[in-house]
Amino acid sequence: DVKVTQSSRYLVKRTGEKVFLECVQDMDHENMFWYRQDPGLGLRLIYFSYDVKMKEKGDIPEGYSVSREKKERFSLILESASTNQTSMYLCASSGSGNTIYFGEGSWLTVV
Amino acid sequence: QKEVEQDPGPLSVPEGAIVSLNCTYSNSAFQYFMWYRQYSRKGPELLMYTYSSGNKEDGRFTAQVDKSSKYISLFIRDSQPSDSATYLCAMKVARGYQKVTFGTGTKLQVIP
Repeated sequence: DVKVTQSSRYLVKRTGEKVFLECVQDMDHENMFWYRQDPGLGLRLIYFSYDVKMKEKGDIPEGYSVSREKKERFSLILESASTNQTSMYLCASSGSGNTIYFGEGSWLTVV
Repeated sequence: QKEVEQDPGPLSVPEGAIVSLNCTYSNSAFQYFMWYRQYSRKGPELLMYTYSSGNKEDGRFTAQVDKSSKYISLFIRDSQPSDSATYLCAMKVARGYQKVTFGTGTKLQVIP
């Protein structure tokens, strides 16, 4: 079974803090993604990566950065967290086919 | 206008009913169509995918694509309480293309 693991399920951070969300996949997938999911807005792509050290902006990259130093690991960084970044964050991975595999999600609250 | 429109529901049906979930889209370049199921506080999981127009069946689930109308459907036969979840449609333009456009999801509740 494909497994995408997000290390933190629930986080509470203060405004202005730097936040790291970590994701690891065990299927040797080339592609990894970070989405955020908000009620009424659905899934929105923040960044994706198609190879180690490669990244592409998604639809809403502002306020976020990413890092992919190893093939299995993709990190999302909020340089200075703000309250409008309170959301559920989903990491995902895919190979050459059509299936995107999602992690369980990280619920971030910024106060 | 959003590229993909999906009624958010909620949709409540009695156990055993046939459920129809739908999405419309505006981008005629979409060729791959997917349905994901998402349980509360979990990540989405792929249910089915179809290529181009036509039907695909998998157990109690049938996915239907009508490209001429830019309309896709997911039918669930003999619905069960365990089908209660949010269903997301998703689509993309090509097999190797990684950008997937998701609908906002329809919340389904199956009442025992």
